[in-house]
Amino acid sequence: LAKTTQPISMDSYEGQEVNITCSHNNIATNDYITWYQQFPSQGPRFIIQGYKTKVTNEVASLFIPADRKSSTLSLPRVSLSDTAVYYCLVGENQLIWGAGTKLIIKP
Amino acid sequence: EAGVAQSPRYKIIEKRQSVAFWCNPISGHATLYWYQQILGQGPKLLIQFQNNGVVDDSQLPKDRFSAERLKGVDSTLKIQPAKLEDSAVYLCASSLDHGTEETQYFGPGTRLLVL
Repeated sequence: LAKTTQPISMDSYEGQEVNITCSHNNIATNDYITWYQQFPSQGPRFIIQGYKTKVTNEVASLFIPADRKSSTLSLPRVSLSDTAVYYCLVGENQLIWGAGTKLIIKP
Repeated sequence: EAGVAQSPRYKIIEKRQSVAFWCNPISGHATLYWYQQILGQGPKLLIQFQNNGVVDDSQLPKDRFSAERLKGVDSTLKIQPAKLEDSAVYLCASSLDHGTEETQYFGPGTRLLVL
């Protein structure tokens, strides 16, 4: 099972761009890379998913280099409401959830 | 579109008692998941259903936990007897189909405290 490594926590300020990098050295050929967001007292929520290169939606961008051994979630112009835990997930048969990255946005 | 519904939202029981949680997935979603999330950790998959069949229950403590999805729609997760370490949030999620590329939609969770 592919495992991911991401920072335990990060701080940033309102209006800044935040990049969270995830390492997944053992990613399998068919694995997608998926990011979820979780606010306190809520279930996780899907943010973005990609296989290679760059994916962008209304919330975030996902950058995946050619070797796919890492990925970077980019949140443009964050606000206080982006304070949450962000999970990076890969997996062929089952997604393994790590502890995620606790992102704190300061005013 | 209605989301994943879970009840109850909170439950407090004493150790050795039993408890049951209920989940109603998004209409039309074939796959249903139960997760356990201990404070400060990521969700841990307990069991995954595809329609009314079990796809993966490798991490379900079968001596005390059981789950069913009899008609392929809603599901119940039961703990009997409960232990102190079962204190956690129990999350239900559903997706259109199985496969790790499928988006999972989560309910609000049931927060269990075992005293």
